[in-house]
Amino acid sequence: DAKTTQPPSMDCAEGRAANLPCNHSTISGNEYVYWYRQIHSQGPQYIIHGLKNNETNEMASLIITEDRKSSTLILPHATLRDTAVYYCIVRVGSGGSNYKLTFGKGTLLTVNP
Amino acid sequence: DAGVIQSPRHEVTEMGQEVTLRCKPISGHNSLFWYRQTMMRGLELLIYFNNNVPIDDSGMPEDRFSAKMPNASFSTLKIQPSEPRDSAVYFCASLGVGYEQFFGPGTRLTVL
Repeated sequence: DAKTTQPPSMDCAEGRAANLPCNHSTISGNEYVYWYRQIHSQGPQYIIHGLKNNETNEMASLIITEDRKSSTLILPHATLRDTAVYYCIVRVGSGGSNYKLTFGKGTLLTVNP
Repeated sequence: DAGVIQSPRHEVTEMGQEVTLRCKPISGHNSLFWYRQTMMRGLELLIYFNNNVPIDDSGMPEDRFSAKMPNASFSTLKIQPSEPRDSAVYFCASLGVGYEQFFGPGTRLTVL
């Protein structure tokens, strides 16, 4: 699976959009970009994933560049409860039995009041 | 659904003792994962099962660790004998037909 690079930490004001970047310059054509987050003392939680098109769900939006070498997770209106470590993961998306997720260090997002 | 259930939530034991961690996946999910999280090494995949069969155990640190999944609703991770460096939070996760892994609350293990 391709390696990802994320900033170690970011701050965001409550109510503002949080934009979390991720670089994955070695991504292959069949690899998806996944985002998970981990709130302190809890298990990781799935947020969103995508292949090449931008994706949106009730939690966030995922913007993937045209060359797929980087992506941005957007939390449109961050709240204090969004303070967490956010992990960007790249892996083969479907088929077979390879469902491994390889977690890096992630980005600690702190939402300030 | 109650989600992924792990027990115990906290375990304190002494070096050399056997430790057994338990996991009940979400009903209907056919893949199960065991992860370990420490400050030094982050979140690491230890082993995962598909349809109760171990698929990849390359993350299991050594022979002291073993995992079983006797049926679709139960899995154990055993450490024997335990060592202080095994102290960590151990997470179990399950996966159904989609892409989302659902994680349990974790077991915080302290080996003295």
